[in-house]
Amino acid sequence: AQSVTQLDSQVPVFEEAPVELRCNYSSSVSVYLFWYVQYPNQGLQLLLKYLSGSTLVKGINGFEAEFNKSQTSFHLRKPSVHISDTAEYFCAVSRDQGGKLIFGQGTELSVKP
Amino acid sequence: EAGVAQSPRYKIIEKRQSVAFWCNPISGHATLYWYQQILGQGPKLLIQFQNNGVVDDSQLPKDRFSAERLKGVDSTLKIQPAKLEDSAVYLCASSLVGTLKQFFGPGTRLTVL
Repeated sequence: AQSVTQLDSQVPVFEEAPVELRCNYSSSVSVYLFWYVQYPNQGLQLLLKYLSGSTLVKGINGFEAEFNKSQTSFHLRKPSVHISDTAEYFCAVSRDQGGKLIFGQGTELSVKP
Repeated sequence: EAGVAQSPRYKIIEKRQSVAFWCNPISGHATLYWYQQILGQGPKLLIQFQNNGVVDDSQLPKDRFSAERLKGVDSTLKIQPAKLEDSAVYLCASSLVGTLKQFFGPGTRLTVL
């Protein structure tokens, strides 16, 4: 079975500072990896996904993530955050194309002026 | 293109009452998912449909939850009778068959008193 652990439940950061949201996963098989963002009172929106190939994945809104197979991690980074990045971020895995997503507990990113 | 539609957006009921949620996926998306998101947790898959057939309902509490997608388009999720622990946001998502990108609706926030 697969599982996802997001290591920080809350991350406060000042505007224009860099940020890293940490995600570790466990799986006995190869998986696909995702980061979703959820703004208040909205559904989840896909930020980026890792399928195969280059371990550095670039997504929307200036976010990127790096897949590290040996450490089973998929950390999300942004070099300079904006107030508008304040949201809940979820890391997820899927074993199959078209299969269910298994989500982590979420990390609340709070960007302060 | 129109996104995934859900209604109602909010629902408050007493325990032991019944409730139903509706979801209309993106046109052409044969795969439909219902997720339960309890406060402070990541979404958890309840049921996955492909057209009008069930692909995965292993985490659906079948003694009280039911879901249908009779014509392979829109879907309803029902809880009967509701318990306090059913308080959550119920998210509907859809995708093209065999693809990795799921599109999420805004969710229905259920409060059971």
